[in-house]
Amino acid sequence: QQQVKQSPQSLIVQKGGIPIINCAYENTAFDYFPWYQQFPGKGPALLIAIRPDVSEKKEGRFTISFNKSAKQFSLHIMDSQPGDSATYFCAASISNFGNEKLTFGTGTRLTIIP
Amino acid sequence: DADVTQTPRNRITKTGKRIMLECSQTKGHDRMYWYRQDPGLGLRLIYYSFDVKDINKGEISDGYSVSRQAQAKFSLSLESAIPNQTALYFCATSDPGGSSGANVLTFGAGSRLTVL
Repeated sequence: QQQVKQSPQSLIVQKGGIPIINCAYENTAFDYFPWYQQFPGKGPALLIAIRPDVSEKKEGRFTISFNKSAKQFSLHIMDSQPGDSATYFCAASISNFGNEKLTFGTGTRLTIIP
Repeated sequence: DADVTQTPRNRITKTGKRIMLECSQTKGHDRMYWYRQDPGLGLRLIYYSFDVKDINKGEISDGYSVSRQAQAKFSLSLESAIPNQTALYFCATSDPGGSSGANVLTFGAGSRLTVL
């Protein structure tokens, strides 16, 4: 049973556009929602994370929007650049349990074309 | 040097062979993990270890075993490899006592395994 559903599977956006990647979760006990970024040939790395006490978090050009009632969260990339081309994974966990309970989405392969 | 080093980076083997993937880390973290990445399936946890004497099964442990030889070393073994174990494998670490928080995973660069 997939607890975190991620869409789209792949996304192509022109430079300067705003790609949006969406995730939906089922377990209302989840209280930590990170996004990991993975470049080809590399391991994933934490990009940005949010907790449900806020509806939005920004770090540079990356923004997480969180809708607790809809059990959905999304990643927006402002002024996207070719260097943002990567695979993005959303994830969710119950923070008291640690990473052994971290559930990843299926990933979105993002391509930013010049 | 990378904080989390995986060897080999690429391996092709045949069905039935025993394979070991190794992971070493210089971050001083107690917690180590092995994940498997498949297209369309994301990252799934195989095994995790909170210290040298602690080994726990993850979501998809069947067909795999692990050994925590030291705080810095965590290896994954496939006793008899089969084609559906063809995947990209990642080792990761985390530090619950660190300033970055318990939920931040630091991943290695991955080991691509092909079982023919």
